[in-house]
Amino acid sequence: QMTQSPSSLSASVGDRVTITCRASQDIRNHLGWYQQKPGKAPKVLIYAASSLESGVPSRFSGSGSGTDFTLTISSLQPEDFATYYCLQDYNHPLTFGQGTKVESK
Amino acid sequence: EVQLVESGGGLVQPGGSLRLSCAASGFTFSSNWMNWVRQAPGKGLEWVASIKQDGSEKYYVDSVKGRFTISRDNAKNSLYLQMNSLRAEDTAVYYCARNGGYCTGGVCHAIFDFWGQGTLVTVSS
Repeated sequence: QMTQSPSSLSASVGDRVTITCRASQDIRNHLGWYQQKPGKAPKVLIYAASSLESGVPSRFSGSGSGTDFTLTISSLQPEDFATYYCLQDYNHPLTFGQGTKVESK
Repeated sequence: EVQLVESGGGLVQPGGSLRLSCAASGFTFSSNWMNWVRQAPGKGLEWVASIKQDGSEKYYVDSVKGRFTISRDNAKNSLYLQMNSLRAEDTAVYYCARNGGYCTGGVCHAIFDFWGQGTLVTVSS
């Protein structure tokens, strides 16, 4: 079970944005972060809690281990307005967080 | 270029069946775990099922166990999802996703690195 917060947030370009996921049990570092834009398939940003997927801008970073994880966008860009999901891959069933919609303030 | 193309979605009555397909190209299909992920209208992502490279291991979310079957044909570079006893709550866009995988020190992490465009399944009378 993954609990993601907040469910939505309003931010401006240039803001620092933080999204958190909490696991109901220790999942080590088996967590990824995904970005989804309306009508599109998700895109992986981070895997193994803190590893940046190739081609993903360095303003995205992930941290955490055990039960608490964070996705940080250091300086929000216009193309970053989207919904973000965490995904635990420690064990089956794999579970996504409920999602965080990042909207323009 | 890696491509995943789903097909087989449509409108089906409750209790009916549907078979989704995912045609893969641009990579060695038999080398990767594959997955189905769904998204109900206006809702979040839900992992549905995974299958190992050779089909020897399969996993399902509890809500579809006994009703859905994931399978693959490595000779045809294709992934399938047989969906039986469909319910209204199965209405969703269904995505196939490749697990790119990352292994270090004997520990592997799932990376859903390529996704199809999705196929819509609507269960309604």
